[in-house]
Amino acid sequence: DTAVSQTPKYLVTQMGNDKSIKCEQNLGHDTMYWYKQDSKKFLKIMFSYNNKELIINETVPNRFSPKSPDKAHLNLHINSLELGDSAVYFCASSRGGTGELFFGEGSRLTVL
Amino acid sequence: ELKVEQNPLFLSMQEGKNYTIYCNYSTTSDRLYWYRQDPGKSLESLFVLLSNGAVKQEGRLMASLDTKARLSTLHITAAVHDLSATYFCAVPQIHTGTASKLTFGTGTRLQVTL
Repeated sequence: DTAVSQTPKYLVTQMGNDKSIKCEQNLGHDTMYWYKQDSKKFLKIMFSYNNKELIINETVPNRFSPKSPDKAHLNLHINSLELGDSAVYFCASSRGGTGELFFGEGSRLTVL
Repeated sequence: ELKVEQNPLFLSMQEGKNYTIYCNYSTTSDRLYWYRQDPGKSLESLFVLLSNGAVKQEGRLMASLDTKARLSTLHITAAVHDLSATYFCAVPQIHTGTASKLTFGTGTRLQVTL
């Protein structure tokens, strides 16, 4: 049973489209994150939610909108996709602020 | 701004050899994390180092933390092919009771050859 699961695993879409990625964790953690990994493997935090409340909001274009319907789910919606949005997006969870993150498998987004 | 640097960025080593990956960070932190990522896969937590002088070992990997020097090392003993992966260190830039904003290093791609 996957601990942190993301869907879809792959997205290929045209510039200007809107897409969503869903994430669910069954670890009972109360904090969830979105990270972006670029083509050079560099990882950068985008958002963090704790019990449905936005805790960390990095300098991310407002085309990116996270939503957490409950503490086990964190979704990411991206409007008006641009070429530079192509990356792998990882969802992660942790028990509070322990810092030990448990990552999902990643969602590879390709914008054409 | 917190900077986390790893070296080397790429390491090719023969099976059976020993080597060390270094992780330097620019601001004070009392904790550090190591993760492993296989190609096209997720990141797996390897070590959680929570204090100065912390040392943890798992199989052929040993991690240590020197908070005064702002340095962590990941030592590989008698490498085997299965250890081929990219290794990341990560340091919390903000750490509260509810969330931890990790800054990741650049990653070290380890290739173990037969």
